Amino acid sequence: DQQVKQNSPSLSVQEGRISILNCDYTNSMFDYFLWYKKYPAEGPTFLISISSIKDKNEDGRFTVFLNKSAKHLSLHIVPSQPGDSAVYFCAASAMDTGRRALTFGSGTRLQVQP
Amino acid sequence: DADVTQTPRNRITKTGKRIMLECSQTKGHDRMYWYRQDPGLGLRLIYYSFDVKDINKGEISDGYSVSRQAQAKFSLSLESAIPNQTALYFCATSLGGGGNSGANVLTFGAGSRLTVL
Repeated sequence: DQQVKQNSPSLSVQEGRISILNCDYTNSMFDYFLWYKKYPAEGPTFLISISSIKDKNEDGRFTVFLNKSAKHLSLHIVPSQPGDSAVYFCAASAMDTGRRALTFGSGTRLQVQP
Repeated sequence: DADVTQTPRNRITKTGKRIMLECSQTKGHDRMYWYRQDPGLGLRLIYYSFDVKDINKGEISDGYSVSRQAQAKFSLSLESAIPNQTALYFCATSLGGGGNSGANVLTFGAGSRLTVL
């Protein structure tokens, strides 16, 4: 059973508009969430993260929102640029993971149309 | 040079063959991981190691083994490859440290594409 779910396999937006990528999780022990971006033929690269003590974290054009009661997080990209076209993975980690690593969602492919 | 280097980048092999994927890092991180990416399934954890003497199974370890030869090296082996092990494999590292912190951010290699015929 997937503990981190990205229900939209793909998303297409126009350049300059907002991109919203969604992620749901089921494990209430998760307390640290990350977004990774992956271009073809490259490994995923870290984009932005948020701790469960916050509900928003912003870094330039990228903002991540966390709704703990709904077990939902989202990544907003404003304005979207063609270079943002990539696969985006949501990931989560439990507090004091000790013996555990990140759990990833299945990814959402974002296409930003010029 | 890349912080996390995977070799080979591409490999085609036959069912039943033994395959080793190698990973080396210059990040100085203690923690290393092997993930597998399949379409529609995202990244799934195969094995991870929190230091040279520590090896742990991930969610899909069956059919795989690992060796942590040094802090900087972590190899993944398929003792007898089968077609459903065809996938893109990623090695990653992290500083570690538990709790919710940036120390849990993973740095990934560029991936090793394995095809088992």
